[in-house]
Amino acid sequence: GQSLEQPSEVTAVEGAIVQINCTYQTSGFYGLSWYQQHDGGAPTFLSYNALDGLEETGRFSSFLSRSDSYGYLLLQELQMKDSASYFCAVFAGTALIFGKGTTLSVSS
Amino acid sequence: ETGVTQSPTHLIKTRGQQVTLRCSSQSGHNTVSWYQQALGQGPQFIFQYYREEENGRGNFPPRFSGLQFPNYSSELNVNALELDDSALYLCASSQDRGAHEQYFGPGTRLTVT
Repeated sequence: GQSLEQPSEVTAVEGAIVQINCTYQTSGFYGLSWYQQHDGGAPTFLSYNALDGLEETGRFSSFLSRSDSYGYLLLQELQMKDSASYFCAVFAGTALIFGKGTTLSVSS
Repeated sequence: ETGVTQSPTHLIKTRGQQVTLRCSSQSGHNTVSWYQQALGQGPQFIFQYYREEENGRGNFPPRFSGLQFPNYSSELNVNALELDDSALYLCASSQDRGAHEQYFGPGTRLTVT
């Protein structure tokens, strides 16, 4: 089977740092992606890791360990606008296989 | 550069009816994927079209079918609607069939009563 596990909810305050973990078990694996979705709108691409290590894009960083089937998304200097759902997704060559998502709530 | 667009935005259908959802891909993209997102869940892959041919399918029954046109726009058709088909249907385009970065449209919210 195919499964991705991530926490259902995370809360934090403005300016803080938050880490959203993702573990996966899939039959095909090319890389791990992260998407952000506000209130049921269009998911937007944040990052992609095909190889082990850390990728940094502005306030967001993503990490992958292929041997541990584990990754995380790190969000720094949190802002209110970061309140959204965050999905990890395994790219299996054609399809994206999504986790159930983590709802991040940022308060002032 | 025009992003991915979908129509209609919202739709209400009755169980047993048929529905067609439409998607225009982003300029320069030749691949379209469709996803179903139930409330509180992540998107689930339905199928992908590359240059007018189906290029992969998820675990959905044959009553879910699709088309891609020469201009790379796409349709998703669902026959014999069931209550569980109520969901947000997302279309995503990408530059090629092996491209991991997919650009999503705003979705069509389908309600089946």
